[in-house]
Amino acid sequence: DADVTQTPRNRITKTGKRIMLECSQTKGHDRMYWYRQDPGLGLRLIYYSFDVKDINKGEISDGYSVSRQAQAKFSLSLESAIPNQTALYFCATSDFRTGDNQPQHFGDGTRLSIL
Amino acid sequence: EDQVTQSPEALRLQEGESSSLNCSYTVSGLRGLFWYRQDPGKGPEFLFTLYSAGEEKEKERLKATLTKKESFLHITAPKPEDSATYLCAVFSWGGGADGLTFGKGTHLIIQP
Repeated sequence: DADVTQTPRNRITKTGKRIMLECSQTKGHDRMYWYRQDPGLGLRLIYYSFDVKDINKGEISDGYSVSRQAQAKFSLSLESAIPNQTALYFCATSDFRTGDNQPQHFGDGTRLSIL
Repeated sequence: EDQVTQSPEALRLQEGESSSLNCSYTVSGLRGLFWYRQDPGKGPEFLFTLYSAGEEKEKERLKATLTKKESFLHITAPKPEDSATYLCAVFSWGGGADGLTFGKGTHLIIQP
């Protein structure tokens, strides 16, 4: 089983719809992240969370919101989807307990298309 | 602002033809450099962490090295299954919102 699981893996929806992407992890890591990846732009950070009570904006948080329901669960919401939010979305985790410069570990992504 | 540049953007090699991928960086206080491999439709897979200049890490046909300005990912006698996009990320005091800045990757194709 994957250590970082994202659902759904693919989603097609219409402009204006509310969408939630979910991420769960079994690695026991305290930090969780949401990224989007677009061709030619690389990975860009949307939101990150250092623990359940700590949520921080990344470089492109406008139009997105997040919820850290538990240490192992971190969801990303698009309140009113627009076509330029079509992208590949990744959740990642890292383990601060072993040092704050530890690598991130990624899920396999959600491919989101907004028509 | 921290910058991470990977070159080349794309590289096509014959099976067995060794080469190197480059990740050059300009950061305020390097705290770590990470290499990832990403296959189509998959998330980045962690390969190596390098923390200080002179450090080297190896895994199968891959070897990562680090200087004060750049890192190289050396691929020795590659096989078609080494085809992927390789990402470099730098963790620093002056990095992105969480200290981490990703490069845009090198797309590597190994032809049989």
